[in-house]
Amino acid sequence: EIVLTQSPDFQSVTPKEKVTITCRASQSIGSYLHWYQQKPDQSPKLLIKYASQSISGVPSRFSGSGSGTDFTLTINSLEAEDAAAYYCHQSSSFPLTFGGGTKVEIK
Amino acid sequence: QITLKESGPTLVKPTQTLTLTCTFYGFSLSTSGVGVGWIRQPPGKALEWLALIYWNDDKHYSPSLNSRLTITKDTPKNQVVLTMTNMDPVDTATYYCAHRREDSGSVWYFDYWGQGALVTVSS
Repeated sequence: EIVLTQSPDFQSVTPKEKVTITCRASQSIGSYLHWYQQKPDQSPKLLIKYASQSISGVPSRFSGSGSGTDFTLTINSLEAEDAAAYYCHQSSSFPLTFGGGTKVEIK
Repeated sequence: QITLKESGPTLVKPTQTLTLTCTFYGFSLSTSGVGVGWIRQPPGKALEWLALIYWNDDKHYSPSLNSRLTITKDTPKNQVVLTMTNMDPVDTATYYCAHRREDSGSVWYFDYWGQGALVTVSS
C-alpha cells in the first residue's frame, strides 16, 4: 500500500499569504497524484489533477507541482474562502489512498 | 451535469449489515472507462477509500475491508450499491460515492462526489 504523508497537519494563515502543503508518497507514483479541497460540511472538491494540471472553474491561485514521491499544493494569495481541509490522493495503484489532510485556518 | 447522491440508513446496530445506494445522473455505467467509487470519512478524520466498480463490472476493494464489502451496479437504474457486513461503532462515518473519470488508459481520478451520507453505528 502506498502511504501518503501530508505536512503540515494544520496551518493558520493571514489573507494574501502564500500557503504550501506537501504530500510525500512512500514509493514513486509518477504524476498520479490529485488534490482535493473539503470545506466544513461539504464533500471533497477536485482542485488539481495529475500533480499539476488545473481544473476548470478552480481559481488560478491554486497550483500543484511534483512527481515521483514529492508533491506540493500551493495557494497564492490566500483568500478567506480558502479555509478548508486539503487532501492528496493517489490513483497510481490499488489500494487507493489519501493523505491525512491539512487544515488551513484563516487568521 | 454529473450528480451523485447517497442514500441509506442513518443508524445501524453493531453486527448489522449496511446497505448504501448511490444514485447518479449525467453519465452511464455502460460507458467505457466510467466507474463509481465509495469513500468514507469518520467524523473529524481523513478520507478512506473503500471500493470501486467499473463499467465492465470489474471491481476493487480495500484490502483491510475486503471480506466485509460488496459493490454492485444496476446500470439501467443508474445506481451503485455498497454493502458492508458486521458493522461496528468504528465504522461510524460519512460515506461518499464518487464518479471515476478516465482521461486515457490508466490516467483517471474522482471528479464528482455525492453530498455524503452519515451513518452512525450504535446499539
